[in-house]
Amino acid sequence: NAGVTQTPKFQVLKTGQSMTLQCAQDMNHNSMYWYRQDPGMGLRLIYYSASEGTTDKGEVPNGYNVSRLNKREFSLRLESAAPSQTSVYFCASSAQGRQETQYFGPGTRLLVL
Amino acid sequence: GENVEQHPSTLSVQEGDSAVIKCTYSDSASNYFPWYKQELGKRPQLIIDIRSNVGEKKDQRIAVTLNKTAKHFSLHITETQPEDSAVYFCAASPTGNQFYFGTGTSLTVIP
Repeated sequence: NAGVTQTPKFQVLKTGQSMTLQCAQDMNHNSMYWYRQDPGMGLRLIYYSASEGTTDKGEVPNGYNVSRLNKREFSLRLESAAPSQTSVYFCASSAQGRQETQYFGPGTRLLVL
Repeated sequence: GENVEQHPSTLSVQEGDSAVIKCTYSDSASNYFPWYKQELGKRPQLIIDIRSNVGEKKDQRIAVTLNKTAKHFSLHITETQPEDSAVYFCAASPTGNQFYFGTGTSLTVIP
């Protein structure tokens, strides 16, 4: 089992460019999450998907969109990147969804110039 | 929404000593409190968690205590080892899939 995988590992964007971060899990988990991690601020939830076909906003959703493509895949899209979106992005998944152990991917380091 | 505060932000201990990290939360509806360890450049990994119907949980050298009345919970690491050096995050979850994280504690264990 690969667990939770993310692509790309590192990306540099110019302000205004768009991109999609990909996440996939092979653990048959129902719930998936996107977090951003900034120095001194811990992890903040951007969006989550409690089950296939549903998505909900987290703590910091502005500037992002998500798609739960199927049970395995959950993507995060930046339509018009801003320097404030420079961060490390982590995808996570959990089995039953409600307050269960979250397994994190390796992260995507994004730099917006 | 929930607000989780974590202290201290940095902690240095001698190998073999104990380390304690404390978190407070604001939402009395929070009922699940996981702790994550993140090594430099790596992903966060769950090390222990506790639910609100339990006051204490222990797993070998790691323990977590919860005081619902005071709205605080703590991570205790005994007999620290150099491999315990990492950033530790607490989190609180009020309902469903929402998780609120503390700002992290950088623990250094000095051999």
